Amino acid sequence: AQSVAQPEDQVNVAEGNPLTVKCTYSVSGNPYLFWYVQYPNRGLQFLLKYITGDNLVKGSYGFEAEFNKSQTSFHLKKPSALVSDSALYFCAVRDITNNLFFGTGTRLTVIP
Amino acid sequence: DGGITQSPKYLFRKEGQNVTLSCEQNLNHDAMYWYRQDPGQGLRLIYYSQIVNDFQKGDIAEGYSVSREKKESFPLTVTSAQKNPTAFYLCASDGPAIGQPQHFGDGTRLSIL
Repeated sequence: AQSVAQPEDQVNVAEGNPLTVKCTYSVSGNPYLFWYVQYPNRGLQFLLKYITGDNLVKGSYGFEAEFNKSQTSFHLKKPSALVSDSALYFCAVRDITNNLFFGTGTRLTVIP
Repeated sequence: DGGITQSPKYLFRKEGQNVTLSCEQNLNHDAMYWYRQDPGQGLRLIYYSQIVNDFQKGDIAEGYSVSREKKESFPLTVTSAQKNPTAFYLCASDGPAIGQPQHFGDGTRLSIL
């Protein structure tokens, strides 16, 4: 069965430090992977995606994600965290039938 | 700007009442989706529609109904049969190509009076 796991409900990081939000997936066939961000009382905003090609994907607001096929992971990263990055982050995977599966979300708090 | 508009932003339901949440998109997307978001549970799919006049149940369709009479519109009705309707409801859409991200509206927060 297709699934996405975000093992950390909460990630805290100091402003200016690098951040990582973890995601692992299970899907039949080649995965299509996405990261979204959600601010309070707002919808999800698309950050970046991996379809094929280079394992390091760059997205909006300085975020990037690394696709690792052997570890079935797609961790979200940013070299230097901002207080404004504090939000809820969702990883999602799409299978070959085009169904989209979301993780349960990770709340990122950047401490000034 | 193209996007998805959900209304109202906040909605209150009385016991035994049906309420309808509006979702309109001007992205010319064929597919539209309704999700329910509860704290700590991520997003759960209620209904989706791949084309006008057709829709499919998602994982938690009981107590909900939808219609898709126009490409731009996909309203969700929360019926009195839904015993725990308090949640944040998100509408989304996407195009046909695999690998396209879904676009989301800003949600409707439904509460019980």
